[in-house]
Amino acid sequence: ETGVTQTPRHLVMGMTNKKSLKCEQHLGHNAMYWYKQSAKKPLELMFVYSLEERVENNSVPSRFSPECPNSSHLFLHLHTLQPEDSALYLCASSQDWDGSYEQYFGPGTRLTVT
Amino acid sequence: TQLLEQSPQFLSIQEGENLTVYCNSSSVFSSLQWYRQEPGEGPVLLVTVVTGGEVKKLKRLTFQFGDARKDSSLHITAAQPGDTGLYLCAGGNSWRPNAGGTSYGKLTFGQGTILTVHP
Repeated sequence: ETGVTQTPRHLVMGMTNKKSLKCEQHLGHNAMYWYKQSAKKPLELMFVYSLEERVENNSVPSRFSPECPNSSHLFLHLHTLQPEDSALYLCASSQDWDGSYEQYFGPGTRLTVT
Repeated sequence: TQLLEQSPQFLSIQEGENLTVYCNSSSVFSSLQWYRQEPGEGPVLLVTVVTGGEVKKLKRLTFQFGDARKDSSLHITAAQPGDTGLYLCAGGNSWRPNAGGTSYGKLTFGQGTILTVHP
């Protein structure tokens, strides 16, 4: 495997379900990111981890809970979501947490909340 | 708050035509990246420009960073159906001492340009 991988690619869940999104990067990067992409909106940064430590939390509702057990893996735990949370969730990584570094994205998880 | 405005938001052209996408801001960025995203996939990095006035070419794609590092353009020559996709620009800033805030850790994305090239 190379680059950034995400699983599952598609997820349909009810508002009372609990699920997790997984991201893995094989690039040896130190920073990982979660983004939300909704139709007609710019990419929204949700969380940033640098060396497994959360360094950014962009006022994201608590029903989204990130976890970074090591520098290669990032999870997004979901519970009691709302229909407006339906979107493409993208994971990215970069060499370090600095805007001058290029970010490499995974293919995303298309989430539908019913 | 830094903002990047992309224009146009939608572009529908015939194969063989030329096009330009613009990315503008009132803020200075230390680097600017262009991505292309196909439906159901994540953005793929096309190029990074870091020097004011810099021009980079990638086959039929030409990227330019403005002299003041506040704007950028993407020009495609003789567009092909394979160029169809969402084009995103993103501005980034390097860490600077005493800059304050955490904007240097983020990329600021434009809202994107949806390009459709018809055969």
